[in-house]
Amino acid sequence: GAVVSQHPSRVICKSGTSVKIECRSLDFQATTMFWYRQFPKQSLMLMATSNEGSKATYEQGVEKDKFLINHASLTLSTLTVTSAHPEDSSFYICSASGRKNTEAFFGQGTRLTVV
Amino acid sequence: GENVEQHPSTLSVQEGDSAVIKCTYSDSASNYFPWYKQELGKRPQLIIDIRSNVGEKKDQRIAVTLNKTAKHFSLHITETQPEDSAVYFCAATWYSSASKIIFGSGTRLSIRP
Repeated sequence: GAVVSQHPSRVICKSGTSVKIECRSLDFQATTMFWYRQFPKQSLMLMATSNEGSKATYEQGVEKDKFLINHASLTLSTLTVTSAHPEDSSFYICSASGRKNTEAFFGQGTRLTVV
Repeated sequence: GENVEQHPSTLSVQEGDSAVIKCTYSDSASNYFPWYKQELGKRPQLIIDIRSNVGEKKDQRIAVTLNKTAKHFSLHITETQPEDSAVYFCAATWYSSASKIIFGSGTRLSIRP
């Protein structure tokens, strides 16, 4: 299957700072990328959908000014958690799909801890 | 919006026995139903999927059934092994690369030796 790389895998940051998470498709052009958040022992909750070159579409209840998503190229999308607080601590996972594949390929996830 | 319900939340079976996980979906427009296996701290892995134009699909010890009328679909794992222990998620979506995937709440499967 296709490869999606997410970086960093773990990050610890201080409350009030911002953190950027990168999601790259390594061997295909990702026309659509999805960002999920997963709290311990819970399901993956979709935060937003981004299409290359256009603004992300956020799910209800997700603050777009807090979770900034940029999908400037067909191989890279970034999620920036701004002014992070301890309640933002979670496992963030991206997935990507391209024109030719309906299957969504997941990144390895980023465990964010805000202290 | 689309809602996917999954049961049970936890399941413990004896090694060698079968495990069944059931899901229901709300959006009749959904036509693609993937199943994912997630081990602790890792990314979800697609294990099997089914499209709405078929009622059943099998891949070795794993099978999925779909009842479009009732909006039910199920995962069946036969001859369970210790490495089957994980969290399993069902999902529903429209068969398109741009369609968002809505996940069920997950089932934690434990295989007893």
